[in-house]
Amino acid sequence: KAGVTQTPRYLIKTRGQQVTLSCSPISGHRSVSWYQQTPGQGLQFLFEYFSETQRNKGNFPGRFSGRQFSNSRSEMNVSTLELGDSALYLCASSLNYVAGIRAGTQYFGPGTRLLVL
Amino acid sequence: AQTVTQSQPEMSVQEAETVTLSCTYDTSESDYYLFWYKQPPSRQMILVIRQEAYKQQNATENRFSVNFQKAAKSFSLKISDSQLGDAAMYFCAYRSSSLVMNYGGSQGNLIFGKGTKLSVKP
Repeated sequence: KAGVTQTPRYLIKTRGQQVTLSCSPISGHRSVSWYQQTPGQGLQFLFEYFSETQRNKGNFPGRFSGRQFSNSRSEMNVSTLELGDSALYLCASSLNYVAGIRAGTQYFGPGTRLLVL
Repeated sequence: AQTVTQSQPEMSVQEAETVTLSCTYDTSESDYYLFWYKQPPSRQMILVIRQEAYKQQNATENRFSVNFQKAAKSFSLKISDSQLGDAAMYFCAYRSSSLVMNYGGSQGNLIFGKGTKLSVKP
């Protein structure tokens, strides 16, 4: 079974631009989460989607948004890029998301490295 | 809010020896998952091992095992017969078992420690 895929793998943008990152989960996985990894802040949760609905959101400004499609693929968008948005953006998928039911393990993609100049 | 602490920023081990990485966490929940993830220089986050809090038996995966002390909120990773390919950043992570729609919170999602950089000497 293919793993989580993310595109593009590398991206260079300038301040003020916007960017869209894509994530395809493992086949059959319906939950997708996004994380930002920086040397200073470590790994921080951005948001989680299940059945095309945002289920959880981390403490990030509204410039960060996402969506999920009917095939469970997800995109995240960052508008008005700032230098501090330079980071590795990781997507993870998991199998289970039913309220009150035990959560599944999250499996990660290779990440998208974003550099903002 | 839950927190995860890894007190060892860097560790070093001789090839074929055993090393233990420490992790402590803070939570008021009784049901949760704990994970160890490995991130080599490629930056791919790889699951090493998983522990469910309701299980008393410590999880093992080949050369990797954990010492889960629920009362002490401790979750250490032991790597036996260390290999050069084990060199990586290791992250301890917590995840709640009850998934609740909670905008602005992080329930149900992974909460990571800062990581421990493991070097393996030949």
